[in-house]
Amino acid sequence: EVHLLESGGGKVQPGGSLRLSCAASGLLFSSYAMTWVRQAPGKGLEWVSTVSDSGASTYYADSVKGRFTISRDNSKSTLYLQMNSLRAEDTAVYYCAKDRITISSLDYWGQGTLVTVSS
Amino acid sequence: QSALTQPASMSGSPGQSITISCTGTSSDVGGYKYVSWYQQHPGKAPQLLIYEVTNRPSGVSNRFSGSKSGNTASLTISGLQAEDEADYYCSSYARGDTLVFGGGTKLTVL
Repeated sequence: EVHLLESGGGKVQPGGSLRLSCAASGLLFSSYAMTWVRQAPGKGLEWVSTVSDSGASTYYADSVKGRFTISRDNSKSTLYLQMNSLRAEDTAVYYCAKDRITISSLDYWGQGTLVTVSS
Repeated sequence: QSALTQPASMSGSPGQSITISCTGTSSDVGGYKYVSWYQQHPGKAPQLLIYEVTNRPSGVSNRFSGSKSGNTASLTISGLQAEDEADYYCSSYARGDTLVFGGGTKLTVL
């Protein structure tokens, strides 16, 4: 059974940084692209970023480009999201998810981790 | 990267069928086969219902079906049940290697 477990969320001041992690199990992690999706309180889903299976290719939403960096360590079956220059509008639950095919559909999701950007 | 357009809310009675629309452009929904639908219950992570316009993952009820015509995709839920009350989101691959979601539809089962 595929299991994705996010960690690293918390409260941070505007302009601060945070790194999220997503530990994967039950799948051949290195064979699949992985994605971060966020959901602001009471709002809809927003795609944030995707990384290819090898980590060689990365893709970002315009809203986070230049501030967030997605990466992965296939030896540890772990996905990361480094978030810098955080803004109040980045406040959301951040989900990691497994891609069926790169940037297509997301067939497994973690339970999410809450990031709050506030002074 | 504009969001796809979904009705904000819909409702139906048990046993009825409802169809949720998802409208985009030729740069996303209309141009590719990678349209998906997700169900999200309050406080839970989304769950994939439909991928590549019409396909259901293993374990998803056949009461859920998907289709597409031009720039509009649709999710039909037949034989509505109380447990179907949830938020539903569409998504599509979009030109430029991005993924775009719809704004979500809150389904109420009366």
